[in-house]
Amino acid sequence: DVKVTQSSRYLVKRTGEKVFLECVQDMDHENMFWYRQDPGLGLRLIYFSYDVKMKEKGDIPEGYSVSREKKERFSLILESASTNQTSMYLCASSLQTGGRNEKLFFGSGTQLSVL
Amino acid sequence: DAKTTQPPSMDCAEGRAANLPCNHSTISGNEYVYWYRQIHSQGPQYIIHGLKNNETNEMASLIITEDRKSSTLILPHATLRDTAVYYCIVRTSYDKVIFGPGTSLSVIP
Repeated sequence: DVKVTQSSRYLVKRTGEKVFLECVQDMDHENMFWYRQDPGLGLRLIYFSYDVKMKEKGDIPEGYSVSREKKERFSLILESASTNQTSMYLCASSLQTGGRNEKLFFGSGTQLSVL
Repeated sequence: DAKTTQPPSMDCAEGRAANLPCNHSTISGNEYVYWYRQIHSQGPQYIIHGLKNNETNEMASLIITEDRKSSTLILPHATLRDTAVYYCIVRTSYDKVIFGPGTSLSVIP
């Protein structure tokens, strides 16, 4: 089975800190995604990547950046954490097959609290 | 914005079939329909997907209308563990994967 691993289940940071959220997948997937999920707002796409060193903005990229130096790892960076970035962060990955079989596999999420 | 619309909530009696509709009237020819579900505090889980033919797997069946403008996910014998939020997504490759609010399904004993 595909495994998508997020480095921390719970994380507490201070306002202004630089925060790294790490995501690693073990199935050689080309596509990787970062979402945040907030009550009443659903899952919102922050960034995605369909190849090493490639990145594309999602719907809410402001305040975030990403890094994809290796195929299996996709990092989400909060350059200066703010309280409105308190959220559940979910990473996902999928194969690239022209759309015909690109089911997403999700990690178990990181609940980030910014104080 | 999501390319799909779903009812916000539905109830289903335990043991009965749950039929979850999804409207995707602007779907293009190369876009697939994918269904996921999310049980509270877990990451979404893939259920099934299809292009134009009906599909069935061990979890569910997917019925896509001939014009592809809507689809229905069928859970044949709903159990309490099927209580979750169900998301319908249309997408092709190299595409944003946008989740709408989904349908909150409650399976009632």
